[in-house]
Amino acid sequence: QQQVKQSPQSLIVQKGGISIINCAYENTAFDYFPWYQQFPGKGPALLIAIRPDVSEKKEGRFTISFNKSAKQFSLHIMDSQPGDSATYFCAARVAGGTSYGKLTFGQGTILTVHP
Amino acid sequence: GAVVSQHPSRVICKSGTSVKIECRSLDFQATTMFWYRQFPKKSLMLMATSNEGSKATYEQGVEKDKFLINHASLTLSTLTVTSAHPEDSSFYICSARVRAGELFFGEGSRLTVL
Repeated sequence: QQQVKQSPQSLIVQKGGISIINCAYENTAFDYFPWYQQFPGKGPALLIAIRPDVSEKKEGRFTISFNKSAKQFSLHIMDSQPGDSATYFCAARVAGGTSYGKLTFGQGTILTVHP
Repeated sequence: GAVVSQHPSRVICKSGTSVKIECRSLDFQATTMFWYRQFPKKSLMLMATSNEGSKATYEQGVEKDKFLINHASLTLSTLTVTSAHPEDSSFYICSARVRAGELFFGEGSRLTVL
């Protein structure tokens, strides 16, 4: 019930295209859904995050769509650029408790944007 | 975003020695920090939750005597890999929670045990 399932495992997109990564969860106690971007040899960097009371959040070229009833959320990268090539992780967090902040990560998606 | 610094970024040690990795929150106080381990092309695996002034909470299957965690101040948590062996070679990443709840990660520490 703690799992977050992420797909696809890898994604190849042409420059200027739209990259879409999907995540699904089971635990309805999750209250915060961040996306992280990780380059090789670096730690993950927080990209954008959403809470379940909002269906969509946009920051620049990055948009999170959230479907509470389906327990799914997705990351859309508009006008994808070669510099966006990285591994993307979705995550989810349970509200409150002594481990507040503890994240459950998806399996990751390796995005490659061809020039 | 908040800055979390890890040191060292890379460390190579001989089998049987101990290695300490530091995680610092540079511009905020972190009552809670988390330690993750990541294998190549894999997701992040939570090892333990580190709370300032108290014992760390380890995830199931993580050896607490092997991976010693100390969170002695609001800006510093340390992970010590004791009696390291080649199978302990990995990418170790810490993270810290800011007051608003977001989690920020350090740059990671690559441990290679020969």
